[in-house]
Amino acid sequence: DGGITQSPKYLFRKEGQNVTLSCEQNLNHDAMYWYRQDPGQGLRLIYYSQIVNDFQKGDIAEGYSVSREKKESFPLTVTSAQKNPTAFYLCASSKSVQYNQPQHFGDGTRLSIL
Amino acid sequence: GIQVEQSPPDLILQEGANSTLWCNFSDSVNNLQWFHQNPWGQLINLFYIPSGTKQNGRLSATTVATERYSLLYISSSQTTDSGVYFCASYGSSNTGKLIFGQGTTLQVKP
Repeated sequence: DGGITQSPKYLFRKEGQNVTLSCEQNLNHDAMYWYRQDPGQGLRLIYYSQIVNDFQKGDIAEGYSVSREKKESFPLTVTSAQKNPTAFYLCASSKSVQYNQPQHFGDGTRLSIL
Repeated sequence: GIQVEQSPPDLILQEGANSTLWCNFSDSVNNLQWFHQNPWGQLINLFYIPSGTKQNGRLSATTVATERYSLLYISSSQTTDSGVYFCASYGSSNTGKLIFGQGTTLQVKP
């Protein structure tokens, strides 16, 4: 079945450590997105990518980095510069950015600080 | 940028009751999606509805873009309907930023 796979489901980070969250899609979508969700809140955009080797900052990009070397993969690195990384992270994809296509989401990764 | 407001913030229903969830936005929209986030955090697409009305089983959604609102109607609610319902929109520009409301938390009691 086509879909979006995020791994791991749960991740723990030590102080000063970088961690990478994986997001893979087999929907042949051009656009991919990373969102952060804090308890009781809506989702906020971290980064998005319209095409391979291209990405743009969202509203809360500080302390995060991404890469888009393959169409199907969009990993997110939470760096040590992100002082409050504990949150639920959701990856999404859509056919394109330009035509406001609906976004589809993975099951998320819960990140906590040790 | 566009603001998305949802109401009510919390809703408790008895199983079998009907309910309407509201989504109001501050500017014109090009896309309106409704999602259900279940207790495990999974965000499920319910409707992609820039305008008009769509129905899927016990759920229906209506968007009136000229009046800047959308509503989600749940009929004959079931305990499995519990969770958080989000509406989200891109707004009027093609930036790729899907702006979410704060959500309506629904609890359906048996």
